[in-house]
Amino acid sequence: NAGVTQTPKFRILKIGQSMTLQCTQDMNHNYMYWYRQDPGMGLKLIYYSVGAGITDKGEVPNGYNVSRSTTEDFPLRLELAAPSQTSVYFCASSYSVQNTEAFFGQGTRLTVV
Amino acid sequence: GENVEQHPSTLSVQEGDSAVIKCTYSDSASNYFPWYKQELGKRPQLIIDIRSNVGEKKDQRIAVTLNKTAKHFSLHITETQPEDSAVYFCAAWPPRIKAAGNKLTFGGGTRVLVKP
Repeated sequence: NAGVTQTPKFRILKIGQSMTLQCTQDMNHNYMYWYRQDPGMGLKLIYYSVGAGITDKGEVPNGYNVSRSTTEDFPLRLELAAPSQTSVYFCASSYSVQNTEAFFGQGTRLTVV
Repeated sequence: GENVEQHPSTLSVQEGDSAVIKCTYSDSASNYFPWYKQELGKRPQLIIDIRSNVGEKKDQRIAVTLNKTAKHFSLHITETQPEDSAVYFCAAWPPRIKAAGNKLTFGGGTRVLVKP
């Protein structure tokens, strides 16, 4: 099993550009999450999904959008990139919220200049 | 929504000594408390978790204790080794994400350095 796979690993964007961070999992997990981790800080939830076709905002959703057309894929879209979106982005998946491990992807380091 | 505070933010210990990280939470509905370890430049990984109906759980050199009345829980690492050097995150989660105000966030993290 590959687990949770994120692409790309690194990206530099110019202010105002857009991009999609890809995330796919092969564990048939219903729950998927996008977190951002700013330097020296904890993880903050951007968006989450409890199944295909269902998404909801997390704590810091502004400037981002998501979709969940299949169980496996959960892409994160950045529109009009801003320097405040410079961060490391982690996608994760789990069987449920509780009592099961959330598996993380390797992360995408995004710099907006 | 839940608010989780984690202390200390950094912890330096001598190899072989014990390390203790403490977290407090605000929402009494929280009933699942996982701990994640993140090595430098890598992804977070679950190391141990505990549910609210259990007061303590051990797994080899790591243990977690929970005091629901006081709303705090702690991670204990005994006989620390250099490979224990990492950032550790706690979390306090309710049964459903909505109940957490859609936050489902982690504590601020503790950077542990084990000196050989």
